[in-house]
Amino acid sequence: AQTVTQSQPEMSVQEAETVTLSCTYDTSESNYYLFWYKQPPSRQMILVIRQEAYKQQNATENRFSVNFQKAAKSFSLKISDSQLGDTAMYFCAFKAGTYKYIFGTGTRLKVLA
Amino acid sequence: NAGVTQTPKFQVLKTGQSMTLQCAQDMNHNSMYWYRQDPGMGLRLIYYSASEGTTDKGEVPNGYNVSRLNKREFSLRLESAAPSQTSVYFCASRPPGTSKGGELFFGEGSRLTVL
Repeated sequence: AQTVTQSQPEMSVQEAETVTLSCTYDTSESNYYLFWYKQPPSRQMILVIRQEAYKQQNATENRFSVNFQKAAKSFSLKISDSQLGDTAMYFCAFKAGTYKYIFGTGTRLKVLA
Repeated sequence: NAGVTQTPKFQVLKTGQSMTLQCAQDMNHNSMYWYRQDPGMGLRLIYYSASEGTTDKGEVPNGYNVSRLNKREFSLRLESAAPSQTSVYFCASRPPGTSKGGELFFGEGSRLTVL
């Protein structure tokens, strides 16, 4: 079965510091997409960053970057220069096949002033 | 840009009542989804529609029905609500093919409480 595991239910980080959120997944497929979504208190799910499995280069979006280790099936999110607005629930997701997406259970991140 | 619009945003029901959650997208996406979000369980797929006229069960379809009314609209119906269906419901849509890397676009969610 394809699974996504986020082993850190909650994390906190001081403003301006760097934090890394972990995600591991399990699949037998060779090509797939991985995503990190942010869910602030407003509830709206917002895409933070995506990674295509066939691309070796790690994706980056401004202060957000990933460490994609395909052999280890690991997809961690690094947030640099953390801001108060980064406080949210973060979900790792895996796109399995054409239509199916599998989400992790989420990591609640709190950025401290 | 409206994106994905869900209504209502909040609803309280009594056990046994029925209701329909509405979802509409204006991005000309083919695929649409309904998820439920429960504490500690992430998002679980209820139903999805790969294209207009088709629907398929997801991980937790029991107690729900869906209708893909047209390309824009995908509704979720609870025929006889149960307390176990208390949750936050999200509608999402996806552009065709690998456009935007298969990104899902979400609505703002609907919080449903069943007493």
